[in-house]
Amino acid sequence: AQTVTQSQPEMSVQEAETVTLSCTYDTSESDYYLFWYKQPPSRQMILVIRQEAYKQQNATENRFSVNFQKAAKSFSLKISDSQLGDAAMYFCAGYNQGGKLIFGQGTELSVKP
Amino acid sequence: NAGVMQNPRHLVRRRGQEARLRCSPMKGHSHVYWYRQLPEEGLKFMVYLQKENIIDESGMPKERFSAEFPKEGPSILRIQQVVRGDSAAYFCASSPPGLAGGRYEQYFGPGTRLTVT
Repeated sequence: AQTVTQSQPEMSVQEAETVTLSCTYDTSESDYYLFWYKQPPSRQMILVIRQEAYKQQNATENRFSVNFQKAAKSFSLKISDSQLGDAAMYFCAGYNQGGKLIFGQGTELSVKP
Repeated sequence: NAGVMQNPRHLVRRRGQEARLRCSPMKGHSHVYWYRQLPEEGLKFMVYLQKENIIDESGMPKERFSAEFPKEGPSILRIQQVVRGDSAAYFCASSPPGLAGGRYEQYFGPGTRLTVT
């Protein structure tokens, strides 16, 4: 069974600064995908970034990038030049070959002006 | 292209009543997933459906909960005889058919917040 763990319930960052959210996962599958989702106060789940396990290059999407350490089973999200609109709950998730996404417990990010 | 639609957005039911939650996937998507989010928790998988088929219902409670995705119309998550513990946000997601790579991205609807009084 796949597990996803986020050990930081809350994080805070100053506007324009950089913050890193941590995530560890465990899976027995060789082909898998990892995701970061953002959930703002509206509760809409928004896909931020995805990483294919077979790709060695870390995914980037504008100010968002991941540090994918396959051997360490670590999948952290880095947000550069943080903006007030980045404040939200962030969920790390892993795709299980059976079709389901397995979510971590979430990290609540606050951005200070 | 409209996103995943869910209705109602908010649903209030008294204990013992039935709740019916609807999900219309994105156009062209044939895979539907339901997740439940209890307060202060992450999303938990409930069921994965394709048209007229339940693929994986390992996350569904054994009793009172059922889901369908008919050939025509939206997917329905049905909760019979609701109890207070069913109060949660229920999210639907969809993904396209075809190659495995495309299937892995799930697009979420805005959720239905169910309150049982």
